[in-house]
Amino acid sequence: GDSVTQMEGPVTLSEEAFLTINCTYTATGYPSLFWYVQYPGEGLQLLLKATKADDKGSNKGFEATYRKETTSFHLEKGSVQVSDSAVYFCALYNAGNMLTFGGGTRLMVKP
Amino acid sequence: DADVTQTPRNRITKTGKRIMLECSQTKGHDRMYWYRQDPGLGLRLIYYSFDVKDINKGEISDGYSVSRQAQAKFSLSLESAIPNQTALYFCATSDPSGSFTDTQYFGPGTRLTVL
Repeated sequence: GDSVTQMEGPVTLSEEAFLTINCTYTATGYPSLFWYVQYPGEGLQLLLKATKADDKGSNKGFEATYRKETTSFHLEKGSVQVSDSAVYFCALYNAGNMLTFGGGTRLMVKP
Repeated sequence: DADVTQTPRNRITKTGKRIMLECSQTKGHDRMYWYRQDPGLGLRLIYYSFDVKDINKGEISDGYSVSRQAQAKFSLSLESAIPNQTALYFCATSDPSGSFTDTQYFGPGTRLTVL
């Protein structure tokens, strides 16, 4: 079946550091890929998405590129802020199946 | 006001008790979902409903039941709670754009502890 693997956290960075959170997936066909973010005490909210190979999703300074050749959708941000501290979930949807989430990666940004 | 609300936000109960978690939405979406979140496991789908007359089991439906009372309301029940149902539960909605790839909007979650 489909699966999503994320790097384990927590990831601890200083403010203005560069962020990469790795996400790889296993799926047949051509899934759509998502990054959701969960701020403390809140539900998940969509951060960005990409629906086909080579698409780049971007939002709030975050970006991720759908790489079919490496089955990856790594999340990046050039300069993180304290307010980016949250749990980040990579997810995929494959036609006919359900939304599949990775285990989540906690990001902590220190001033 | 929040578009997707969940009640209660926190609940502690004992093994064997019946528990109902409620979800209401003002987004006018037809599709609603219940997930549970466990540390390191991400979110797993329990049940989903594409309209008032449509209920479907998700990945982990055993031990749970749901009721779709209206377009805006979707309740999750644990008929006889057990400790391994201790988790964070999320309700979500989405717009019926004809594809499951549409954005899901999540409630704030209910933290359930079963002793």
